[in-house]
Amino acid sequence: DGGITQSPKYLFRKEGQNVTLSCEQNLNHDAMYWYRQDPGQGLRLIYYSQIVNDFQKGDIAEGYSVSREKKESFPLTVTSAQKNPTAFYLCASSEGLAGFQETQYFGPGTRLLVL
Amino acid sequence: QKEVEQNSGPLSVPEGAIASLNCTYSDRVSQSFFWYRQYSGKSPELIMSIYSNGDKEDGRFTAQLNKASQYVSLLIRDSQPSDSATYLCAVNSGGYQKVTFGTGTKLQVIP
Repeated sequence: DGGITQSPKYLFRKEGQNVTLSCEQNLNHDAMYWYRQDPGQGLRLIYYSQIVNDFQKGDIAEGYSVSREKKESFPLTVTSAQKNPTAFYLCASSEGLAGFQETQYFGPGTRLLVL
Repeated sequence: QKEVEQNSGPLSVPEGAIASLNCTYSDRVSQSFFWYRQYSGKSPELIMSIYSNGDKEDGRFTAQLNKASQYVSLLIRDSQPSDSATYLCAVNSGGYQKVTFGTGTKLQVIP
């Protein structure tokens, strides 16, 4: 079964703590993305990666970091610098053709809550 | 700033009726358009994509695109209670970072 997996489903963060959200895909997609979704707001791009060992900041990268050491994996770390981390985090991937018809597919999401 | 506008709803339709969801966008260079369905607490699921002016049909779903008016819509025929969800419009104006999502329209199909 091809798809995108995210773990954990729920994550609790204590004040001052860094936490890492996992995203894995077996679709052989080159491009991967992290979005944040808050109630009443559209999806906002945090980071994206076109190829292994390369990634770019999105619109709201402050307080987040990523790595792309393997094609299949694109973990997101929410650092203590992110003061309002409570949100639904969505990982997506696409073939990586970079054209207008690039279609993104989403994983099941991780809900991050602050204790 | 590139914007994608959707009426937040809720849009309530009776079971069996046609639901019409609308989306306008501000970036004239936008070339591809996507509709996602998102159930409460779940992630977005791609329903349809459309790239050319006109209609594109897939089962009970029809996407309509009018680039001159910067307008894209999704029609759902024979609406079912299982169609109750939030529908997100997404617009790609070129490449990886150029996908903008609307805030979504909540659809309620009343049995």
